[in-house]
Amino acid sequence: NAGVTQTPKFQVLKTGQSMTLQCAQDMNHNSMYWYRQDPGMGLRLIYYSASEGTTDKGEVPNGYNVSRLNKREFSLRLESAAPSQTSVYFCASSEAQGSTQYFGPGTRLTVL
Amino acid sequence: SQQGEEDPQALSIQEGENATMNCSYKTSINNLQWYRQNSGRGLVHLILIRSNEREKHSGRLRVTLDTSKKSSSLLITASRAADTASYFCATDLSGGSYIPTFGRGTSLIVHP
Repeated sequence: NAGVTQTPKFQVLKTGQSMTLQCAQDMNHNSMYWYRQDPGMGLRLIYYSASEGTTDKGEVPNGYNVSRLNKREFSLRLESAAPSQTSVYFCASSEAQGSTQYFGPGTRLTVL
Repeated sequence: SQQGEEDPQALSIQEGENATMNCSYKTSINNLQWYRQNSGRGLVHLILIRSNEREKHSGRLRVTLDTSKKSSSLLITASRAADTASYFCATDLSGGSYIPTFGRGTSLIVHP
């Protein structure tokens, strides 16, 4: 089992460019999450999907969109990147809301 | 939003010593989880303690929960250099969405 995988590992964008961060899990989990981690800020929830077919906003959703493509995959899209979106992005999954979360290795995004 | 706050922000000890980290939160919770993050990696789940539990053990880890004080502690006994990492507590609100909210973490350095 690969667990939670994320692509790409690193990305540099120019302001205004768009990109999609991909996340997949092979644990048959129902819930998936996207977080960003900034220095000294801990993890902040961007969006989550409690189950296939549903998505909900988290603490910091502005500037992002998500798609729960199927039970395995949950993508995060930046339509028009801004320097404030420079961060490390983590995807996580859990069997259900409130249960243990399993994290991917992260994507380090720099927006110039 | 509900957030646990870890204390201290940073902790530096010698190998073999015990390390204690604390987490305080603001309102009633369903459960509290502790996670570890090695530098540049995703978070790894350590232990989950439910609101009706007072203490849990896992190997060299001991977690306590005092709901009257709205606080938890993580004790790592006989620390090793490999325990060097950041440690985060995550809480989810009683009656809420069961989405864990992370604190800003305690950075632990264990000197060999």
